Amino acid sequence: DGGITQSPKYLFRKEGQNVTLSCEQNLNHDAMYWYRQDPGQGLRLIYYSQIVNDFQKGDIAEGYSVSREKKESFPLTVTSAQKNPTAFYLCASNFGHTLGYTFGSGTRLTVV
Amino acid sequence: SQKIEQNSEALNIQEGKTATLTCNYTNYSPAYLQWYRQDPGRGPVFLLLIRENEKEKRKERLKVTFDTTLKQSLFHITASQPADSATYLCALPGGSYIPTFGRGTSLIVHP
Repeated sequence: DGGITQSPKYLFRKEGQNVTLSCEQNLNHDAMYWYRQDPGQGLRLIYYSQIVNDFQKGDIAEGYSVSREKKESFPLTVTSAQKNPTAFYLCASNFGHTLGYTFGSGTRLTVV
Repeated sequence: SQKIEQNSEALNIQEGKTATLTCNYTNYSPAYLQWYRQDPGRGPVFLLLIRENEKEKRKERLKVTFDTTLKQSLFHITASQPADSATYLCALPGGSYIPTFGRGTSLIVHP
């Protein structure tokens, strides 16, 4: 079945560490997105990529980095510069803006 | 600035009744609006998209209305079931048409 796979489901990070969240899709979608969700908050856009080897900052890009070397993959790195990284991270992709977005199951990141 | 408002209080209803959720927005003139369902610990799932020239759209037990004058969308689930319990998010196209999401309304259907 086609879909988006995010891994790991749970991730624990020590202060000062960088961690990378994986996002892979087999839907042949051109565009991919990373959102962050905090309790009681809406989803906030971190980064997006509409084509391979190109990506754009979203509303809250500071402290995050991404790469898009393959159409299927859009990993997100949470750097030590992100001061409040504990959150639920969601990856999404789409083929066209009016066709709805497909989301992965998310990665819950906790700073310990 | 653009703002999407969904009722932050959970909606509790009895099984078999119609659930109605509201999405209000300001400072938008959206060409369309989307609704998603999100279960705890999971990613949102796309349900419906309604365009500005469509007053109403239906899909099985779901009905969405879109009033661009009132700047409001209503999301109805008829004959609700406990399995419909989830958080429902509305989303409007923002910059580059990427969706901006409301905070969602939790629906709890009691058997």
